[in-house]
Amino acid sequence: GAVVSQHPSRVICKSGTSVKIECRSLDFQATTMFWYRQFPKQSLMLMATSNEGSKATYEQGVEKDKFLINHASLTLSTLTVTSAHPEDSSFYICSASGLQGSYGYTFGSGTRLTVV
Amino acid sequence: GQQVMQIPQYQHVQEGEDFTTYCNSSTTLSNIQWYKQRPGGHPVFLIQLVKSGEVKKQKRLTFQFGEAKKNSSLHITATQTTDVGTYFCAGPRSQGNLIFGKGTKLSVKP
Repeated sequence: GAVVSQHPSRVICKSGTSVKIECRSLDFQATTMFWYRQFPKQSLMLMATSNEGSKATYEQGVEKDKFLINHASLTLSTLTVTSAHPEDSSFYICSASGLQGSYGYTFGSGTRLTVV
Repeated sequence: GQQVMQIPQYQHVQEGEDFTTYCNSSTTLSNIQWYKQRPGGHPVFLIQLVKSGEVKKQKRLTFQFGEAKKNSSLHITATQTTDVGTYFCAGPRSQGNLIFGKGTKLSVKP
């Protein structure tokens, strides 16, 4: 089945620094990837839709200058949290849908970001 | 805007008891998907339902899609401790992404 690899799984950074999270589709081409944020004990909140070769589409309320998304190839999308602050601490998950039919969306393993 | 509501938010059961979570959409869905997220893990795709009134089974899990394609349910028969986790339903949005319900967190007491 489809596999999405996400790195790093955990990262601790100092306030004011930037963190890059990578999401790779390993055995399929993902023209579209999605980035979610999940707060403790809450549901998945869609942040943006990443389209290969074009600008990402951000959901309302998500700062595009703070959460930079790049989807330069069919197998890689990156999310960079710029000038991170403690309130950016969260669980970030990417997902991709490369196969049509009943395969659903495949999620990466997530990145636990802690900003200190 | 489009909403997907899921109840209950939490469910505590004794091992061996049944469990059901319900999902309701504010709009008619072309399909509905179910995901399971184990504690500390990421969502894992379980199943997709497409047809009105569709029922699918995966061992002890039974998934239903309502006739109006606006509601769905997941029923687990004779729960086991391995069933612990949060179950999310999700429906497609016009933009091509998914909108998730808030999930039902299942805990199973041995």
